[in-house]
Amino acid sequence: KNEVEQSPQNLTAQEGEFITINCSYSVGISALHWLQQHPGGGIVSLFMLSSGKKKHGRLIATINIQEKHSSLHITASHPRDSAVYICAVGGSQGNLIFGKGTKLSVKP
Amino acid sequence: EAGVAQSPRYKIIEKRQSVAFWCNPISGHATLYWYQQILGQGPKLLIQFQNNGVVDDSQLPKDRFSAERLKGVDSTLKIQPAKLEDSAVYLCASSLNRGSGYYEQYFGPGTRLTVT
Repeated sequence: KNEVEQSPQNLTAQEGEFITINCSYSVGISALHWLQQHPGGGIVSLFMLSSGKKKHGRLIATINIQEKHSSLHITASHPRDSAVYICAVGGSQGNLIFGKGTKLSVKP
Repeated sequence: EAGVAQSPRYKIIEKRQSVAFWCNPISGHATLYWYQQILGQGPKLLIQFQNNGVVDDSQLPKDRFSAERLKGVDSTLKIQPAKLEDSAVYLCASSLNRGSGYYEQYFGPGTRLTVT
């Protein structure tokens, strides 16, 4: 069993829809990250959180430490949101353990 | 502030050949990471440096992969000899990590390696 599990693996949505990507982890963490990766591009950090909820524009990330679960929400989705979204958990040494990613495609 | 720089961006080699990748982290970042990302998977840590010392290289295939970070700044990752299964994107990242606490990682654009 992977230490970081994401669902769904692939997601297709219509522009304007509300999107949720889930992440479950099985290890102790110091922080959880949500990252975005565009095709052919590098990785950009969206959120780093260790409790509660964070919001940036149309993106919202939540984490439940007791349940070892986090969600990434995108409100009013847009085609430019199409990318791979990766959940990663941070260990005590600063290393990251990554999920396999969720490929999101938003159709106009 | 300049980001993490990597070169080359793309490389195609034949199996059994050698290849080297270069990374220049964000100025002042003490920690440097090399990740391997195979198509369809999340990145996997190969090696983590704190300044010029190795913190974690448990997943580095040491029979063919080597990495160094002389002077605690730039780093090179080498594969010798390459195998078909080494085809992947090699990502470099850096973070402050100057002591206790947790610091955000910043990623370079990656080097896409194709081994034929």
